[in-house]
Formats: sequence, C-alpha cells, structure tokens
Amino acid sequence: QVHLVESGGGVVQPGTSLRVSCITSGIVFRHYAIHWVRQAPGKGLEWVAFIWHDGSKTYYADSVKGRFAISRDNSKNTLDLQMDSLKVEDTAIYYCATDRGSGWSQEHWGQGTLVTVSS
Amino acid sequence: QSVLTQPPSVSAAPGQRVTISCSGISSNIGNNFVSWYRHLPGTAPKLLIYDNDKRPSGIPGRFSGSKSGTSATLGLTGLQTGDEADYYCGTWDSSLNAYVFGTGTTLTVL
Repeated sequence: QVHLVESGGGVVQPGTSLRVSCITSGIVFRHYAIHWVRQAPGKGLEWVAFIWHDGSKTYYADSVKGRFAISRDNSKNTLDLQMDSLKVEDTAIYYCATDRGSGWSQEHWGQGTLVTVSS
Repeated sequence: QSVLTQPPSVSAAPGQRVTISCSGISSNIGNNFVSWYRHLPGTAPKLLIYDNDKRPSGIPGRFSGSKSGTSATLGLTGLQTGDEADYYCGTWDSSLNAYVFGTGTTLTVL
C-alpha cells in the first residue's frame, strides 16, 4: 500500500518562510517523480511544483516561481518544498503526489498539510 | 488561474449518466495527455483517468474518459450518491512548462 504523509504546515506571517515535507512508504522513492499541488480555501486545485525522480529537473507554477524550491534527498527518502517570501494568497492545503510516469498525472496523494499565511 | 475550462456544476439522478467537459488549447489538451481527478475538499484527491482514457487499477468501469482535439470529457454512468464530489481535469501545458488543472466541476446526484 502506498502512503504519502505531508508535514510542516502551520501559521506564518507574510514575507516569512516555511518548509513542508513529504514522506512516502510502499514505493521505491528514488523511482518516482513527485508533484506538489495546493488548494486555497474555497478554490480549486492548483499545481505548484514538480521534481524528477533523480532531482535533475524541476518545474514551477508561475505563481510561486522564484519563491518556492522543491528538492529531494533520495538517500534519505525525503522531499521538501521550501517556501520563501510567503504571501497571504499562498494560504492553502498542500498535497504531495507521486507522478504516474505517464502524461504527468498524479497517482498517489497524501492527505495534505495546511499552510496559513496571515498577519 | 486555471487555463482549462469546466462547467461549474452538473447534476443527475441516481442511476443516470453524466458527462463533464474540459476545454483547453493546442499547447495543453491539444498536444498532451489528459487526466481526471475526484476531490472532496480536505481529503486526498483521487486519480480516475490518465492518458485520456485509461483507468488506474481499482477505478470501476463506470468511469470513462475521452479526448478530441482541444477538449476532453469525463463520463460517469450508474450514478450513486457517493459520487458527489468535485471533479478536475488536468494536463501538461507545453507553453507554460507547467501542469494545469481545470476550473473544477461539482457533481450533485439528485
């Protein structure tokens, strides 16, 4: 059974930083590319970032480019999303999801971690 | 801001069939595979369809997907009250170099 668990969410002030993480089980972590997707209150799903299985390539939504950084350590089976210069509009539930390896679809998802940016 | 357009809501009676449309352009749906997801807010989204028309293991045959040109459609037959949720299409956009989701459709089973 594949499980993904996000952690690190919390309440922070605008302009500050936060790091959220994703831990997986039931898969060979280094074989899977990973996405981050978020949902703001009352809004739809918004794709945030993507990292190749070996970390060699990353992609970002324009809304977070230059502020967020996705990274992974395959020796430790860890995946992080470093979020800097946070804005109120970054408030959302952040989900990590495995890439299916075809068509960029997200197959297995975690339950999400809530990030609230508020003064 | 979503670049894929879906109807805000659809509804049908139990046992009936419903379709949800997803409209894009050549740089996204026109040249890339489409996926469909079901989501109840606050829970983990679920992949229903990938590569336009393929179902992951465990997804019943009541769910189907199709694509034509720059549009895609999710079909759902034998509606059940448990199917009530938000449904999203998604695909890669080759111009944006980003994955994009649709605006989302809320399904109500009357």
